[in-house]
Amino acid sequence: QQQVKQSPQSLIVQKGGISIINCAYENTAFDYFPWYQQFPGKGPALLIAIRPDVSEKKEGRFTISFNKSAKQFSLHIMDSQPGDSATYFCAASGLFGGATNKLIFGTGTLLAVQP
Amino acid sequence: DGGITQSPKYLFRKEGQNVTLSCEQNLNHDAMYWYRQDPGQGLRLIYYSQIVNDFQKGDIAEGYSVSREKKESFPLTVTSAQKNPTAFYLCASRLPGDTEAFFGQGTRLTVV
Repeated sequence: QQQVKQSPQSLIVQKGGISIINCAYENTAFDYFPWYQQFPGKGPALLIAIRPDVSEKKEGRFTISFNKSAKQFSLHIMDSQPGDSATYFCAASGLFGGATNKLIFGTGTLLAVQP
Repeated sequence: DGGITQSPKYLFRKEGQNVTLSCEQNLNHDAMYWYRQDPGQGLRLIYYSQIVNDFQKGDIAEGYSVSREKKESFPLTVTSAQKNPTAFYLCASRLPGDTEAFFGQGTRLTVV
């Protein structure tokens, strides 16, 4: 299965709180797991990414936690701000034959940070 | 400025017509991708390509066609066989392997 399952579909967090979004995959051919942020009417932009040889990666207020055995990874946004309000997509990339790495996205999480 | 450009931003199609969405990049990226975005369904992969004159079907290729005659260009044609084409279409490109994908600003296609 070349799918990525994402939850929750939407999330409301108070300013200063922690936002947590979860994703799961099945196919072990995936070997790169990025998170993208999208504002209305715009294309997504890379936020942070991780490879399966590490269990955690932190960049500023954003942290990816990766559990290889469970085939799960999550995004944590610390000290959430109203400017973080956007749609977040997890993704997974891997080589499934051919010469091109396939990049598959989750269904997205609409995050609203209330002031 | 390097980047990836999609045009037009808005497109209206009559039932039964084919339309072509443009995607051009000057990032010298080898891989290019087309996604369709619908509310609640995320980004679904339509087609992707690594090199000129080669491309692979994604998860929802039916009713769509692509070409890759130049490294910089990856146009998507939405044919009349696509029964529900109204959506937001996104093009992306990246270097080979597992690297950052850069997206265009998207084309919103509406069937009238």
